[in-house]
Amino acid sequence: AQKVTQAQTEISVVEKEDVTLDCVYETRDTTYYLFWYKQPPSGELVFLIRRNSFDEQNEISGRYSWNFQKSTSSFNFTITASQVVDSAVYFCALSEARGSSNTGKLIFGQGTTLQVKP
Amino acid sequence: GAVVSQHPSWVICKSGTSVKIECRSLDFQATTMFWYRQFPKQSLMLMATSNEGSKATYEQGVEKDKFLINHASLTLSTLTVTSAHPEDSSFYICSARSPFQEQFFGPGTRLTVL
Repeated sequence: AQKVTQAQTEISVVEKEDVTLDCVYETRDTTYYLFWYKQPPSGELVFLIRRNSFDEQNEISGRYSWNFQKSTSSFNFTITASQVVDSAVYFCALSEARGSSNTGKLIFGQGTTLQVKP
Repeated sequence: GAVVSQHPSWVICKSGTSVKIECRSLDFQATTMFWYRQFPKQSLMLMATSNEGSKATYEQGVEKDKFLINHASLTLSTLTVTSAHPEDSSFYICSARSPFQEQFFGPGTRLTVL
């Protein structure tokens, strides 16, 4: 069965600190997709990144970076120089694939609440 | 990115009544829509997948007679919570996608059943 685990329930940092959110996944599929979403207090999910299982390159987007390691089934997310506006719940998710297509069905981790204090 | 809307954004109803939530893709044709439920301080759980013109596929443990899903057009899917009870109070989120595209989430509907 597929599963996503975000062991950190809550993280609190002071502004400008770097913070890493952990994500570990389980799947028997050889083709799959991994995602990160941000959910601010308003509730709307904000898409951050999608990675397919064949692309292990790390990615950097501004202050955000992602480290995908198939060997440890992890897809960790780092925010550099955190800001108060980064405070939100962050979800890691796994999507199953059929062939080379993404079915779209998402399995979410439990979420990590990040609080960035000024 | 593409825009998905939900209506209403929040609703309060009495126990035993039915509530309909709409999910619309505003600028693309959504062949597939998903419905998720999120209880307070919990994760999102997929309830069902609906494909335009077909019956919805429900996840294990989700009562299809209680959560009626209709995906009658490429831009609209509806979720009707029938005979709602307080335990159905939750945040309902839809997402929509067209083939081989990313899925886009709606802003969610907060349902409170008194």
